[in-house]
Amino acid sequence: SQQGEEDPQALSIQEGENATMNCSYKTSINNLQWYRQNSGRGLVHVILIRSNEREKHSGRLRVTLDTSKKSSSLLITASRAADTASYFCAPVTGANNLFFGTGTRLTVIP
Amino acid sequence: DTGVSQNPRHKITKRGQNVTFRCDPISEHNRLYWYRQTLGQGPEFLTYFQNEAQLEKSRLLSDRFSAERPKGSFSTLEIQRTEQGDSAMYLCASSLASGHGEKLFFGSGTQLSVL
Repeated sequence: SQQGEEDPQALSIQEGENATMNCSYKTSINNLQWYRQNSGRGLVHVILIRSNEREKHSGRLRVTLDTSKKSSSLLITASRAADTASYFCAPVTGANNLFFGTGTRLTVIP
Repeated sequence: DTGVSQNPRHKITKRGQNVTFRCDPISEHNRLYWYRQTLGQGPEFLTYFQNEAQLEKSRLLSDRFSAERPKGSFSTLEIQRTEQGDSAMYLCASSLASGHGEKLFFGSGTQLSVL
């Protein structure tokens, strides 16, 4: 299967706490992308990490990639209520088709 | 507005009817994708185009589904003889092929309800 599998399925935290979501995959990849989706809306790209990178930061986001374990994690620091969404990872192979798992539903409680 | 546009936003149809959805990608994007998403699930890949060529189609996709992208601009997704199981959100996305890993830009989707 080319899709990523996110863990946990659901995560509920208080505003200001950190949120960590994990992704596992099975194939060799060129890059791995994270997307977020608010209820009833389309997905929005969050961050991309290439296969030769181990860690990447963007604002309050930190993504890591371990190609030997075929896993990635997305950390959101100092979470806000506006971070409430479903988060999906997509491991990308040479064809650049993105296959999504069932996602992690993050709820940030104000 | 330079985002991905999908029409209609909602579609209600009776079982057995045909429906067609339209997607207008970001103008300079040469790749266009269709996904289907049901409640509580992630988007399921249906098909993708590079310019006007349909390069990949999901093996899980029924023959009742067909997509076109004439002239490599907008795309249509048609579902013939709709079934209740076709009820879902249909998402379109576009990207610019760069060879360095491109991100997808998604539209807001078309919500299909088959009665």
